[in-house]
Amino acid sequence: EAQVTQNPRYLITVTGKKLTVTCSQNMNHEYMSWYRQDPGLGLRQIYYSMNVEVTDKGDVPEGYKVSRKEKRNFPLILESPSPNQTSLYFCASSPTPYSSGQYNSPLHFGNGTRLTVT
Amino acid sequence: KNQVEQSPQSLIILEGKNCTLQCNYTVSPFSNLRWYKQDTGRGPVSLTIMTFSENTKSNGRYTATLDADTKQSSLHITASQLSDSASYICVVSEQEDTGRRALTFGSGTRLQVQP
Repeated sequence: EAQVTQNPRYLITVTGKKLTVTCSQNMNHEYMSWYRQDPGLGLRQIYYSMNVEVTDKGDVPEGYKVSRKEKRNFPLILESPSPNQTSLYFCASSPTPYSSGQYNSPLHFGNGTRLTVT
Repeated sequence: KNQVEQSPQSLIILEGKNCTLQCNYTVSPFSNLRWYKQDTGRGPVSLTIMTFSENTKSNGRYTATLDADTKQSSLHITASQLSDSASYICVVSEQEDTGRRALTFGSGTRLQVQP
């Protein structure tokens, strides 16, 4: 089954304790991206990757790191989590980051990781 | 700054009734607009995509409209079902000079369908 898999689904941690949220897709997609979703703010992009070894900052990258060593995996790293990073996180992928004519392919989202930092 | 605004923020309707969700955007240059459905505890799933030249597109009981002149879109749900209870997110795509598309997300409308 084609899917984007995030782990863990729920995570409670303390301030300053490094953590990694994994994301894996089995659709051979070039493009992968991380978002955070907060009430009233909608989805905001943290980092994205156009392909292996190519990553770039989104709208809210502070406090986060990513890597793209393999096409299928795109982990999100919080080196020193803080309470303002408490949020619902989504990983997403699509075949290409570019428009194809007037259309572009939809994002395929994982089921989210709810992170609480105390 | 590109913005996508959705209204209402939340909506409660009875099963079997129709409803319409609104999306206004300021994204330019416009590439396309997509509606996503997000069930509680799940990631968003694409419902429909609208390009500049399209006015109306249907996907089952969901019908999206687009007025590119006024930069408004709507999502109409006909004969609502309990399974329609979800958040509906409007996402507008901007065509960058590099060819890469940049997305602006609305904050969503939370729909609750009651029996």
